[in-house]
Amino acid sequence: GAVVSQHPSRVICKSGTSVKIECRSLDFQATTMFWYRQFPKKSLMLMATSNEGSKATYEQGVEKDKFLINHASLTLSTLTVTSAHPEDSSFYICSAHILSGGLAKNIQYFGAGTRLSVL
Amino acid sequence: GEDVEQSLFLSVREGDSSVINCTYTDSSSTYLYWYKQEPGAGLQLLTYIFSNMDMKQDQRLTVLLNKKDKHLSLRIADTQTGDSAIYFCAESPNNTNAGKSTFGDGTTLTVKP
Repeated sequence: GAVVSQHPSRVICKSGTSVKIECRSLDFQATTMFWYRQFPKKSLMLMATSNEGSKATYEQGVEKDKFLINHASLTLSTLTVTSAHPEDSSFYICSAHILSGGLAKNIQYFGAGTRLSVL
Repeated sequence: GEDVEQSLFLSVREGDSSVINCTYTDSSSTYLYWYKQEPGAGLQLLTYIFSNMDMKQDQRLTVLLNKKDKHLSLRIADTQTGDSAIYFCAESPNNTNAGKSTFGDGTTLTVKP
């Protein structure tokens, strides 16, 4: 199946610093990527939809100035957590969307996730 | 809004069959998915089914869909210890935006030797 690479897998940073997480589709082009946040023992919360060449679409309640998303190419989207605070500590997961042949496929492939710990 | 519900825990013995159930509320759901998440990892797509299908089988996995009751199940035959993980059910309301999928809270499957 399609491969999505997410980097880094784990990051520990001091409060007030910014952290960048990369999401790459390795063997396909993704015009749309998604960023999720997952709390312990909880489901995925969609944060934003990253669109190649245009601004990201953020879900209600997600601060766009806090979570900066850039989708500069068809294979790379980045999420930057700016001025991170301990409450931003979480598991962040990206996915890339394959839309092929209309109803033939409508699939997301997920990265392995990034564990962010803010001290 | 849309809602997807799953039971939180399931425990089975190795070699038995596991059945994980899911209910959803959105009658316009077109795609229904099952994902597996191992500790500290992302989600792995296991299988998916279109809303115009009743059943899909893929090796040890069987997905049953009851559209009338909005009920989806995942059966794992001959469950192995490596199947221990969290399983998420998800639905997508249209055929162009899988990212807008609604996820259940996940069922933690524990397989005992």
